Amino acid sequence: DIQMTQSPSTLSASVGDRVTITCRASQNIRTWLAWYQQKPGKAPKLLIYKASSLESGVPSRFGGSGSGTDFTLSISGLQPDDFATYYCQQYNTYPTFGQGTKVEIK
Amino acid sequence: EVQLLESGGGLVQPGGSLRLSCAASGFTFSSYAMSWVRQPPGKGLEWVSTFNAGSGSTYYADSVKGRFTISRENSRSTLYLQMNSLRAEDTAVYYCAKLDGYNFHDFFDYWGQGTLVTVSS
Repeated sequence: DIQMTQSPSTLSASVGDRVTITCRASQNIRTWLAWYQQKPGKAPKLLIYKASSLESGVPSRFGGSGSGTDFTLSISGLQPDDFATYYCQQYNTYPTFGQGTKVEIK
Repeated sequence: EVQLLESGGGLVQPGGSLRLSCAASGFTFSSYAMSWVRQPPGKGLEWVSTFNAGSGSTYYADSVKGRFTISRENSRSTLYLQMNSLRAEDTAVYYCAKLDGYNFHDFFDYWGQGTLVTVSS
């Protein structure tokens, strides 16, 4: 199985900040990577696919980059609605998820 | 509008069985791969199983292989998960998820609201 490691596990930030979450794959997954946002008690929501493609309807302050084994999710100008947990997921082989990064209010 | 509505969760004793259902609407169900993904309370996401469109191929996580069976009924736009020999570690919210393509080599573009399965005596 391909292991996905996210960092940090928790991130404290303020409204308006730029935040970056990293995701590392245990082997080359090219750009077969997605990012999801999950709020408490809700289902995950797709933000980014193919490492950098923004899902329709997702605000442009979200951005993804990377290829191979190292990836990042950036949020420029954090909004109150963005405080949530974020997961990366590889789909190069059977799907595996990172452990999640909780973005909390500073 | 794509909608996925899970049902069938509940409390079951260790060793027991349960069948989950996922009623889909708003897209051509038969053309897309479908999956189950679970999330234990307070923990992260774990892929459980995928049923490809067309080929009928199915895939399972090692943690459920031999105990869980995924199936689909395209005429009813419904996905199922038969769970046997349930263990305490199977306790989780189970999400039905649509993939963007026809096989497991794709991302999840829509998710249901989830159904809670609790395995406890």
